[in-house]
Amino acid sequence: DAGVIQSPRHEVTEMGQEVTLRCKPISGHNSLFWYRQTMMRGLELLIYFNNNVPIDDSGMPEDRFSAKMPNASFSTLKIQPSEPRDSAVYFCASSLTGRPLHFGNGTRLTVT
Amino acid sequence: AQKVTQAQTEISVVEKEDVTLDCVYETRDTTYYLFWYKQPPSGELVFLIRRNSFDEQNEISGRYSWNFQKSTSSFNFTITASQVVDSAVYFCALSEAIGSGAGSYQLTFGKGTKLSVIP
Repeated sequence: DAGVIQSPRHEVTEMGQEVTLRCKPISGHNSLFWYRQTMMRGLELLIYFNNNVPIDDSGMPEDRFSAKMPNASFSTLKIQPSEPRDSAVYFCASSLTGRPLHFGNGTRLTVT
Repeated sequence: AQKVTQAQTEISVVEKEDVTLDCVYETRDTTYYLFWYKQPPSGELVFLIRRNSFDEQNEISGRYSWNFQKSTSSFNFTITASQVVDSAVYFCALSEAIGSGAGSYQLTFGKGTKLSVIP
């Protein structure tokens, strides 16, 4: 079975550019999460969807970040405009209600 | 507020040694869940175990074992006879119980412990 699929694996962009990260959750899973991993702050929850509806976005750093889940099989995390401090590994995870999270391989974002 | 502390930033052991990774948590919830995840050098996060706060039985899975002690708010992870393939960053995580309509676990992670197993 395919796991959580994230694209791209690596993204290098210049400050001020728009960045879009993509995630395809495991088929049938009804919850989707976006996490960010940095050396300084570790793994932080950015936003969480249940049945395609955002439940908790309190972890989204600021208005430059936005996330959408237009259907059960796709989600995006957009940063506009990007800044060097956004450089991190962004993970998407999905799960069924009451079951552990399954993580994707992450997208390593570098903003120069 | 929930908090997970993994005091050991890095540990190095020689192959075949046993190693214990510590995890201490804080929560005001009476029902909660604890997790361990492994992040190998390739970067993905791999689920290892989930325990709920009502089940304090220790668990063993092959060379892995977990010791959950509610009295000390700890959920420690022991690898017996370590192998080079165990080299990774290990994360302990905590989630409150799933409320109605909440859907799933919202994990609060510790900062991780980097384990290096030397051949």
